[in-house]
Amino acid sequence: DVKVTQSSRYLVKRTGEKVFLECVQDMDHENMFWYRQDPGLGLRLIYFSYDVKMKEKGDIPEGYSVSREKKERFSLILESASTNQTSMYLCASSWGRTTGGSYEQYFGPGTRLTVT
Amino acid sequence: RKEVEQDPGPFNVPEGATVAFNCTYSNSASQSFFWYRQDCRKEPKLLMSVYSSGNEDGRFTAQLNRASQYISLLIRDSKLSDSATYLCVVNGAGTASKLTFGTGTRLQVTL
Repeated sequence: DVKVTQSSRYLVKRTGEKVFLECVQDMDHENMFWYRQDPGLGLRLIYFSYDVKMKEKGDIPEGYSVSREKKERFSLILESASTNQTSMYLCASSWGRTTGGSYEQYFGPGTRLTVT
Repeated sequence: RKEVEQDPGPFNVPEGATVAFNCTYSNSASQSFFWYRQDCRKEPKLLMSVYSSGNEDGRFTAQLNRASQYISLLIRDSKLSDSATYLCVVNGAGTASKLTFGTGTRLQVTL
């Protein structure tokens, strides 16, 4: 079974703090993704990575950065948290180009971040 | 136009009913299609992939119509446990790895 874990289920931070969200997958997946999910807006892609040290911007990268130093680990960083970044953050992973096949993504349990 | 569009519902159906959801997508070059299920305050989970020939998994049937660019999900003999939000998912333009998620259709099955 694919397992994707996230460092925290709930997090409360103050405006201006630097926030780290960590995601680990145990399936040797090449691709990893960070989304945020807000009511009525669905899942929106923040960043993704298709290899170690590689990253690409998603649809809403502003205010976020990412780091992928090891294949199994993908971190999302909020450089200076703001109240409009209060959201549910979901990490996902999937097989990549080299493995062929389909690209279904497997999600971690999510981190509900509140910025006050 | 949104890349993936779904009726948000809610669909309220009695137990045992058959219910169908449709979803339309805008990118004619899309190759991978999925239905995910998301329970309240939980992560999305893969329900089934959607193949050109259609596929069935127990009470669930998914179909793809490439000409009209829509995907459907049929649930037969609905159970209370089927209550959830169903997300239509399509691979996006440019890269097969990147998926675009619909905002979901909410299903509530009642006694």
